[in-house]
Amino acid sequence: KAGVTQTPRYLIKTRGQQVTLSCSPISGHRSVSWYQQTPGQGLQFLFEYFSETQRNKGNFPGRFSGRQFSNSRSEMNVSTLELGDSALYLCASRGQGYGTEAFFGQGTRLTVV
Amino acid sequence: AQSVAQPEDQVNVAEGNPLTVKCTYSVSGNPYLFWYVQYPNRGLQFLLKYITGDNLVKGSYGFEAEFNESQTSFHLKKPSALVSDSALYFCAVRDTNRDDKIIFGKGTRLHILP
Repeated sequence: KAGVTQTPRYLIKTRGQQVTLSCSPISGHRSVSWYQQTPGQGLQFLFEYFSETQRNKGNFPGRFSGRQFSNSRSEMNVSTLELGDSALYLCASRGQGYGTEAFFGQGTRLTVV
Repeated sequence: AQSVAQPEDQVNVAEGNPLTVKCTYSVSGNPYLFWYVQYPNRGLQFLLKYITGDNLVKGSYGFEAEFNESQTSFHLKKPSALVSDSALYFCAVRDTNRDDKIIFGKGTRLHILP
């Protein structure tokens, strides 16, 4: 069974630009969550999608948005990039059931210059 | 709101000694608790979870964790540390009385000294 796949692995963008990150979950998983990882803040929850609907949202500005497609693949978009958006962005998918663990992709390393 | 605290940024342990990585949590309902490990330039790998039942949970690579409801803790343990255990460890919680999101602690860097 293939794991969670995130593309691209690395990105360098300029301040003010926008970026789109992609995540393909494990086959059969309908829940996809996004996290931002920075050295000082650890993992911060961005949002979660389930069956194409945003189910939860973290405390991030509206510049951060996402969506999920009918095949459960998800995209995350960040507009008007700021230097502070430089981070590792992790995607995780889960199967159904409250006790199921999340499986993570390797992440997309975004550098804003 | 649910939260997770990992009070130690870094833990140093000599190889062969027992290790403990601490985690405390706060939820309004019953918790689902998880431990993950992250190696450099990699995503997070699942180690173990507590859902219900026995307070001592066994997981991958010889790790175990003890759920203590009265102290709201879920410390990660291993009887004998290996140099290869050196990594970043994250504790996470999901509140069964609230929404589905899993919240992570800030992580503890574990250094196993040869």
